[in-house]
Amino acid sequence: EDKVVQSPLSLVVHEGDTVTLNCSYEVTNFRSLLWYKQEKKAPTFLFMLTSSGIEKKSGRLSSILDKKELFSILNITATQTGDSAVYLCAVEASTGNTPLVFGKGTRLSVIA
Amino acid sequence: ETGVTQTPRHLVMGMTNKKSLKCEQHLGHNAMYWYKQSAKKPLELMFVYNFKEQTENNSVPSRFSPECPNSSHLFLHLHTLQPEDSALYLCASSLANPSGSSYEQYFGPGTRLTVT
Repeated sequence: EDKVVQSPLSLVVHEGDTVTLNCSYEVTNFRSLLWYKQEKKAPTFLFMLTSSGIEKKSGRLSSILDKKELFSILNITATQTGDSAVYLCAVEASTGNTPLVFGKGTRLSVIA
Repeated sequence: ETGVTQTPRHLVMGMTNKKSLKCEQHLGHNAMYWYKQSAKKPLELMFVYNFKEQTENNSVPSRFSPECPNSSHLFLHLHTLQPEDSALYLCASSLANPSGSSYEQYFGPGTRLTVT
């Protein structure tokens, strides 16, 4: 059964801290891994990763995929209160019963 | 386990076909959403229903027709699609209030649509 496990489930940090969010997966016929930021509105797409070892970066956010060890991390440096959100990881399979499998998310709270 | 289910999971259709995607949520939510996830593109919001009323239609072509008969079910009727409509179609649900603001959305597994 395909599954995506995110850790930690919740995290509280202070502004300026650096955080690392984890996503491990087991999926047949892996196609891509996606990260989303979900606040009290429509989720925002962050990254799509398809190749191992290539870091994707956007401002203070970066992500990398390890297809051998079947995980991805999302890093946020110099956190701000606006980074508070639920971060969702999803894995897309090219075949199989479930096109997209979501993790339960990591709830990040950044306090001033 | 998921509170939001979608059927079918995969769909291949010709450009002249008519098909429907179905979404059902068992979470007691009152807002439902259709999204399109194309390859290498951000997630695109298509339609929003709050309390069964359509509150948002993000310039979606008329060949996509949503239907929300009750707060637990959402359909996306498809007709005369184009190959560029091939994508992953995601349904989501959330709590909402009449003013339009919403809470966290819970996603279904998606329908992989291929238009030939």
